[in-house]
Amino acid sequence: GEDVEQSLFLSVREGDSSVINCTYTDSSSTYLYWYKQEPGAGLQLLTYIFSNMDMKQDQRLTVLLNKKDKHLSLRIADTQTGDSAIYFCAESSEGNEKLTFGTGTRLTIIP
Amino acid sequence: DAEITQSPRHKITETGRQVTLACHQTWNHNNMFWYRQDLGHGLRLIHYSYGVHDTNKGEVSDGYSVSRSNTEDLPLTLESAASSQTSVYFCASTSDRGATEAFFGQGTRLTVV
Repeated sequence: GEDVEQSLFLSVREGDSSVINCTYTDSSSTYLYWYKQEPGAGLQLLTYIFSNMDMKQDQRLTVLLNKKDKHLSLRIADTQTGDSAIYFCAESSEGNEKLTFGTGTRLTIIP
Repeated sequence: DAEITQSPRHKITETGRQVTLACHQTWNHNNMFWYRQDLGHGLRLIHYSYGVHDTNKGEVSDGYSVSRSNTEDLPLTLESAASSQTSVYFCASTSDRGATEAFFGQGTRLTVV
């Protein structure tokens, strides 16, 4: 079955860039997502990328996709304290809309 | 505004009891999902539905059931609660096939003692 892997923790100094990585196994993945979960809350979609794209930029967020290596990354520029959260990578396939999530990466900001 | 709500937000129950967690969405979405969140496992899919009277098993469906009698609701039932089912449960919905955004409820923290 599908598998999505992430490292569990990342610490970054305020103002630096954060890079959160994700690998997946399903070669038929059509959509790849990044969700953010703040404490005590549900998940919110941050951004997504179609599998035929290499990169997507949205303000401070940059998503890179290496489809050959099945590697997805999320870069957050100028990381702020409000970026502290758990970030989930997820994937779904055309015609199979259930999302498969990674383990989540807890991002901690160091003042 | 349209939303997705879960109830209760917190519940403590005893081993062996039947428990039902409610999920209600006003987005008029066809697709609804139940996940459980556990440390080190991320979110794992329990059951999902693509429309009224449609239900499907996810990767961790044992001990759980769902029913979809209308578009708005997908209640999750634990037939006989076990301590291994202590977790945070999230309901989510999406509008169409190939949808790019899932909307999540606030979660239900269930403790089985």
